[in-house]
Order: sequence, then structure tokens, then C-alpha cells
Amino acid sequence: AQRVTQPEKLLSVFKGAPVELKCNYSYSGSPELFWYVQYSRQRLQLLLRHISRESIKGFTADLNKGETSFHLKKPFAQEEDSAMYYCALISVTGNQFYFGTGTSLTVIP
Amino acid sequence: ETGVTQSPTHLIKTRGQQVTLRCSSQSGHNTVSWYQQALGQGPQFIFQYYREEENGRGNFPPRFSGLQFPNYSSELNVNALELDDSALYLCASSLDRLNTGELFFGEGSRLTVL
Repeated sequence: AQRVTQPEKLLSVFKGAPVELKCNYSYSGSPELFWYVQYSRQRLQLLLRHISRESIKGFTADLNKGETSFHLKKPFAQEEDSAMYYCALISVTGNQFYFGTGTSLTVIP
Repeated sequence: ETGVTQSPTHLIKTRGQQVTLRCSSQSGHNTVSWYQQALGQGPQFIFQYYREEENGRGNFPPRFSGLQFPNYSSELNVNALELDDSALYLCASSLDRLNTGELFFGEGSRLTVL
């Protein structure tokens, strides 16, 4: 079964501290994983996708197939990073995403 | 370039009633997906439409149905509403049905069933 698990519903860090949002997945085959973000009073939007191997707004995410994880990391958190973050996995059929339950990140000034 | 728009933004219905939610996809996008997001949960896939045909369906009963029109706008219809249908309904458009790219979400329609 395809599934995404985000174990932390809430996460608070101080400004300038490192942040890591955890994501584990269950998938048969080579997964395509994404992080979506929803800032306050904004719509859900793509943050980054693992196939691009890019850093967006200072965030990176590495796919670890051995640990079936795709944790989102940033070395120095900023106040504007406060948002709801969803890890997502695209289905084998390629027509749907499986989303985790989300982690609400608060960066304390 | 206009983004994804949904209507209505909020609505209240009673059990047993029917509801229609509407979505206009982003300019140039031919694929529309619908997701249900219950409180405290992540979005859950309902179905996807590509060029007016259903292209995949999640684990939702047949009383959830949809349409896509030639201009790629879409409707989600829910019959015989139940209390558990209370949720935020998100529409997302994309350029291709494979969703290898990005989903562009609307702001959602919040449905309350009493």
C-alpha cells in the first residue's frame, strides 16, 4: 500500500536554528516524492520535488530509500518559514498524490 | 494568467441533501483533480478528470461524482450528504494527467453538513 507518514503534527523552532520535518513513506518501486507548503491565508503550493534535487527557499530534501524517508531540512529557520508542510507521494498510476497529515511549523522569533 | 478558482467558498447543507462544487482550472491546464481534506488531515484524492474523462478515482463511494467541461472547468457533485462529508474540498489543476509536474490548488470550498 502507498502511504505517507508525518509523525509530527506540530514543530516549533527558534529563528536561526536548524529545522527538520520528518516524512516516511510506503511504496513499491521507485517513489516520486514532493513537499507542499501552505502559508497562512494562502493556497497549498509545491515547495520542492525530489527528482529536481533543488534547494527552494533554503530547504532541501533527500530521498533515503533504505530508511524510506524524505525529510525536509533547512539549516537556519526564518520566521517566514512558519507554515503547514505536507509530504506527498505520487501514485504508481501517476494520477494522484498521497498526502501525509501535515506538520505545522512555527518559527519563534 | 489566472489561477484555480473555486466556488462557493463556504456552504452549509443538511444530511441527505445534494451539493455541487465548481472549479475553474488554471489557464492552459487540461487536467483537474479533486481532493477532500478533513480537519487535521492531509488532502485525500477523490478523482481526476483529463479532457472530460475520468482518469482515476480514489476510495470514495459513487455518490461522489464529477464532470469536466470542454473549457476544462469541473464540477464535483455529492449526493445524499452525510455528516462525515464535512470537509474542505480542494480542486487542483495540472498541465498533464500524469501529474509528474505540479498541482496548482484552489483555495477550496468548505462544506459543513448538519
